[in-house]
Parts: sequence; C-alpha cells; structure tokens
Amino acid sequence: QKEVEQNSGPLSVPEGAIASLNCTYSDRGSQSFFWYRQYSGKSPELIMSIYSNGDKEDGRFTAQLNKASQYVSLLIRDSQPSDSATYLCAVSPWSASKIIFGSGTRLSIRP
Amino acid sequence: DVKVTQSSRYLVKRTGEKVFLECVQDMDHENMFWYRQDPGLGLRLIYFSYDVKMKEKGDIPEGYSVSREKKERFSLILESASTNQTSMYLCASSPRPANEQYFGPGTRLTVT
Repeated sequence: QKEVEQNSGPLSVPEGAIASLNCTYSDRGSQSFFWYRQYSGKSPELIMSIYSNGDKEDGRFTAQLNKASQYVSLLIRDSQPSDSATYLCAVSPWSASKIIFGSGTRLSIRP
Repeated sequence: DVKVTQSSRYLVKRTGEKVFLECVQDMDHENMFWYRQDPGLGLRLIYFSYDVKMKEKGDIPEGYSVSREKKERFSLILESASTNQTSMYLCASSPRPANEQYFGPGTRLTVT
C-alpha cells in the first residue's frame, strides 16, 4: 500500500462546478497535510495546509480532513479553466523528518 | 514571501560529465530537499538536509551527492551524469522537517 494515494485522473469538471479531489494516507499518526498545485512544466505551489479534523476554507478552496478515515480532500468551488493543473497531496507521517507526496491528480476544467 | 531559486532552468550535459545544480533560499530555513520528477513516477526524494553540513539520503540517492556548506545553499551533484538522470530536478526548503515545503522553479536537465 502506498503511503499517500491519489486517483491519477484525469478528472474533468465543467467550468463553474465544484471539483473534488481526494487523498488517502496509510500512517494513522500523520499530523500535517498539504495540497499543492502544479501547472505543466512548473514547480509545485502550496495552496492549503490543514492540521486538524474538519474543514478549512481559503477563497474558492476548501480542505477537508478526516483522521479517523485517513483521508483528506480538496474542494474547488466555481472551477475556472485556470484551475486545470495537477494537484498533489502531501502528508507528514508521525515522527517523520519529511513529507510524503502522492503522485497527483490531473484536473481539467472544460469550458 | 519565501523565495527559492535554482541556478538554471534548462541544462544540457553529456554522459560522464560532473553536474552541479544549485539551490538558494532566502528565508533562513533549516531544512532543504532535492527531488526529481519524472512522468508517471511523481516526486522522488533524492537527498535532504536539516542543518549545515548535515545530509540524509532520500529514496533514490544512487548516483547523486549533495553539499550544504551554508544554511541558504544546497547543491546537488551528479558525479558522472548518465542518460537515466535526464529529469526535472526540484529543490525545496522548509522551516521545520515535517512542515510545508516551498519549491524552486526547477531545473530540466537533459543528459545526452
């Protein structure tokens, strides 16, 4: 089992709809969770961090964390073509000195 | 804003050459990381450093070495470049080991 799993996609969502990206992780003691956006040919850019159960909102983005079920998700409301990118989930396992990245979900927003 | 810079955006080297990739961060971060990213394989950690002159192997250290003589600078060295080291190389820094990482723009290295 991979430490951090994401559906590779592509996930196609119509413009203006809600895009939902999911991530599961294997280490139950994980403490910190991150979402990155990566445009083609560019480096990953941090968009959200979440540390406790529940929802965290930042503009059109909402991160949701459920430690009991070991998943973290990212919702993008009012999806725009500029949201088309690969989204990487990253998790900090218990007592780790680094974070573990998932392989990413490719999101495509269709006009 | 955190700023992480890398010495080159694109680099072409020949097989057998020694290659230096440099990374500089301006936020006084203790921790720095080198990854490579290949299609279908995601981000793979090569080496990381949690302090000056300290280094730890990541998941794929073979064929690479690193140097951290100053806190702000972390260098990746390909001792003898091979074609299977053609990749996108990404440097990142972090204030604490398991916290958010900030990436540089990346270096796309081609070894011919």
